[in-house]
Amino acid sequence: DQQVKQNSPSLSVQEGRISILNCDYTNSMFDYFLWYKKYPAEGPTFLISISSIKDKNEDGRFTVFLNKSAKHLSLHIVPSQPGDSAVYFCAASGAIGNEKLTFGTGTRLTIIP
Amino acid sequence: ETGVTQTPRHLVMGMTNKKSLKCEQHLGHNAMYWYKQSAKKPLELMFVYNFKEQTENNSVPSRFSPECPNSSHLFLHLHTLQPEDSALYLCASSNRDWSIYEQYFGPGTRLTVT
Repeated sequence: DQQVKQNSPSLSVQEGRISILNCDYTNSMFDYFLWYKKYPAEGPTFLISISSIKDKNEDGRFTVFLNKSAKHLSLHIVPSQPGDSAVYFCAASGAIGNEKLTFGTGTRLTIIP
Repeated sequence: ETGVTQTPRHLVMGMTNKKSLKCEQHLGHNAMYWYKQSAKKPLELMFVYNFKEQTENNSVPSRFSPECPNSSHLFLHLHTLQPEDSALYLCASSNRDWSIYEQYFGPGTRLTVT
């Protein structure tokens, strides 16, 4: 049973437009959420995170939104750049101090120049 | 060398072989992790080490044997693997003192079991 789901395996967006990547979770005990980005032949790199006490966290071009009631989070990238083309993983963690991350299957984002 | 390194990057082994994967982190972190990523599946946590002590074994078969001699090095010893063990094996590290969630990953070892 997959507790973190990324239902879109791929997404293509025009350069300069907004990219929106979605993630749903089923475990109401999750209280910390992260996005990772992965280029081919490299390991995932941490991008941005959000605690369940917030509904939005922003870092430059990247914003993560959390809707706890819907158990849904999204990553917005604006404006999208060619270097953003990568696979994006959503991850979630339970109680504070629990280092176990549960990952989604990833969404491949392609930015079209 | 910076960050998290893993060797070898690619490994092909027979089912009767014994091999080891190595991970080294140069970040001064005190927690290290092994993950498995199979095709079209999410990353699966295998093992967690905090300050060299194993704190998590996520129901991993005994043909995978981890070793953490110090906070900077992590090994995964492999023996009598099955073809379904073919996957990308990722090592990660984090600092429990400020953010255990922000794990830093190595590039992975692509393992093929024949």
